[in-house]
Amino acid sequence: AQSVTQLDSHVSVSEGTPVLLRCNYSSSYSPSLFWYVQHPNKGLQLLLKYTSAATLVKGINGFEAEFKKSETSFHLTKPSAHMSDAAEYFCVVNIMNYGGSQGNLIFGKGTKLSVKP
Amino acid sequence: KAGVTQTPRYLIKTRGQQVTLSCSPISGHRSVSWYQQTPGQGLQFLFEYFSETQRNKGNFPGRFSGRQFSNSRSEMNVSTLELGDSALYLCASREGNSPLHFGNGTRLTVT
Repeated sequence: AQSVTQLDSHVSVSEGTPVLLRCNYSSSYSPSLFWYVQHPNKGLQLLLKYTSAATLVKGINGFEAEFKKSETSFHLTKPSAHMSDAAEYFCVVNIMNYGGSQGNLIFGKGTKLSVKP
Repeated sequence: KAGVTQTPRYLIKTRGQQVTLSCSPISGHRSVSWYQQTPGQGLQFLFEYFSETQRNKGNFPGRFSGRQFSNSRSEMNVSTLELGDSALYLCASREGNSPLHFGNGTRLTVT
């Protein structure tokens, strides 16, 4: 069965230190993978996407993620956290690797990132 | 281009009432989907519309319904509201294989 697991429900870092948000997926197909960020009372904003091109994907606001097929992982990283990065982050897998129904998207439970001054 | 617009931003209703939420997708996007977000259940897919037809449906009771108009704008309706329907309702649009673009949501509180 297809699934996506965000390994930490809450991550806390100090400003200026690295960020690591972990995501593992399970898919019978070659997946498309996404990271979204959600600030309080806002919708989800796309950070980056992987669609079987380069395995290291660069996104907005200095975030990047590496697709590792052998580990079925798609962890999100940032070298230096900023206060404005405090938000909730969602890992999303599209279990069908072609345009189609949004019912094929599986959302992780989310990781809440706190950034301490 | 304007983003996905959802109205209203906040709603307070009482149990047993019904509610209609509205979503205007990004211009040119024909696919609109709806999600319910709660602290306990996270993001749950409600349904998706494409060219005025429901293309997929999540696991929600029949009290939750939707429709899409010829200009791709969409509405969702919840009848006979229950306390558990309190949530942030998110609308997202896309075209083809592009990623989802989300609106800022409608916060529904049922008292």
